[in-house]
Amino acid sequence: DTEVTQTPKHLVMGMTNKKSLKCEQHMGHRAMYWYKQKAKKPPELMFVYSYEKLSINESVPSRFSPECPNSSLLNLHLHALQPEDSALYLCASSQDRGGAGNEQFFGPGTRLTVL
Amino acid sequence: QKEVEQNSGPLSVPEGAIASLNCTYSDRGSQSFFWYRQYSGKSPELIMFIYSNGDKEDGRFTAQLNKASQYVSLLIRDSQPSDSATYLCAALTGGGNKLTFGTGTQLKVEL
Repeated sequence: DTEVTQTPKHLVMGMTNKKSLKCEQHMGHRAMYWYKQKAKKPPELMFVYSYEKLSINESVPSRFSPECPNSSLLNLHLHALQPEDSALYLCASSQDRGGAGNEQFFGPGTRLTVL
Repeated sequence: QKEVEQNSGPLSVPEGAIASLNCTYSDRGSQSFFWYRQYSGKSPELIMFIYSNGDKEDGRFTAQLNKASQYVSLLIRDSQPSDSATYLCAALTGGGNKLTFGTGTQLKVEL
């Protein structure tokens, strides 16, 4: 199984809502990532979990809260978002062996619209 | 200076031709380099990765790395209309977990 899955595929939420994005992989990877991608821009790294511990937070606003319940699951909790947070949210995973290689595989993404 | 730079294109090539996509990077500590293909509205798909100087071939794709010149390229032989997409170059930095992307090159393969 070489797949990263994400749910939901689409999400529309109001600025006062609380919602969560979910990501799952069964490749035995020990690093998992959240990226944000706006239209016609490259993915921007938000968070990195390595062995279930948060290792990188790219100064993301606190209205985004990541969680890694176990080595296969990654959540992104959303609260009080702004319309400018509307984007494609991508999850990725990798072996986390560091150095050479360590290729990241992306899930299909969640298209988020904040009204 | 951006860490990873690509020409945004569009790069137009006729069907059956070789498409050449280029990328430069500024961080000499970058260890590995990746090419992702992204169709409109879809997520990035890994095409190739390379971490040693020289060429690496996989089917119609060849990745080239020149660390002295801080230059990475992707050649696509016998280009097909289905190759039309945005190609993202990425460098692995920050101890091995931080992937920094270029802005992507849009490739159009014309019939």
